[in-house]
Amino acid sequence: QQQVKQSPQSLIVQKGGIPIINCAYENTAFDYFPWYQQFPGKGPALLIAIRPDVSEKKEGRFTISFNKSAKQFSLHIMDSQPGDSATYFCAAGHGYSGGGADGLTFGKGTHLIIQP
Amino acid sequence: NAGVTQTPKFRVLKTGQSMTLLCAQDMNHEYMYWYRQDPGMGLRLIHYSVGEGTTAKGEVPDGYNVSRLKKQNFLLGLESAAPSQTSVYFCASMLTGGTEAFFGQGTRLTVV
Repeated sequence: QQQVKQSPQSLIVQKGGIPIINCAYENTAFDYFPWYQQFPGKGPALLIAIRPDVSEKKEGRFTISFNKSAKQFSLHIMDSQPGDSATYFCAAGHGYSGGGADGLTFGKGTHLIIQP
Repeated sequence: NAGVTQTPKFRVLKTGQSMTLLCAQDMNHEYMYWYRQDPGMGLRLIHYSVGEGTTAKGEVPDGYNVSRLKKQNFLLGLESAAPSQTSVYFCASMLTGGTEAFFGQGTRLTVV
């Protein structure tokens, strides 16, 4: 049972474009929705996260949009750069309610390439 | 600070062999996790620990055992390796009540 569905699997965007990665979740008990960024040969690192009582969060060029009723959230990268080329994972968990001990449920990942 | 350190970084095993992957963190985190990453499958939780001396099963625990004898270390064991366990293994840790998981650099394991 896949609790977090992520799309697309891969994405190629020209420099300056706005790649959008989408995720959908099933468990309404989730209250923490992070995005992780992973470069080849490295471990994932937290990029940005949102809680379900907020519809949008921006950190620099990265924006999460959250739709609680649809149980969907997405990552937008503004003015994308070749250095943003990486694999992006959405995830869901119980972090804000203090129940984050049982870990995160990850999407399958999106391999993003930003062409110069 | 080193953060989360995994040992070894690469390993090739023959089917049926055993090995232990070591994860060490120097951030005094209570929570520790082992994930496996396979192409097109994302990261899946194998086992986790909420404190020294405690362990719990995750989504894909079969064929693995873990131990948390010291707060800073979390060991993942394969008693009899199988080709299906060929994967990249990531350890992560998190502060009690926190939200951000800090990952190690991964261990690439190949079982032939």
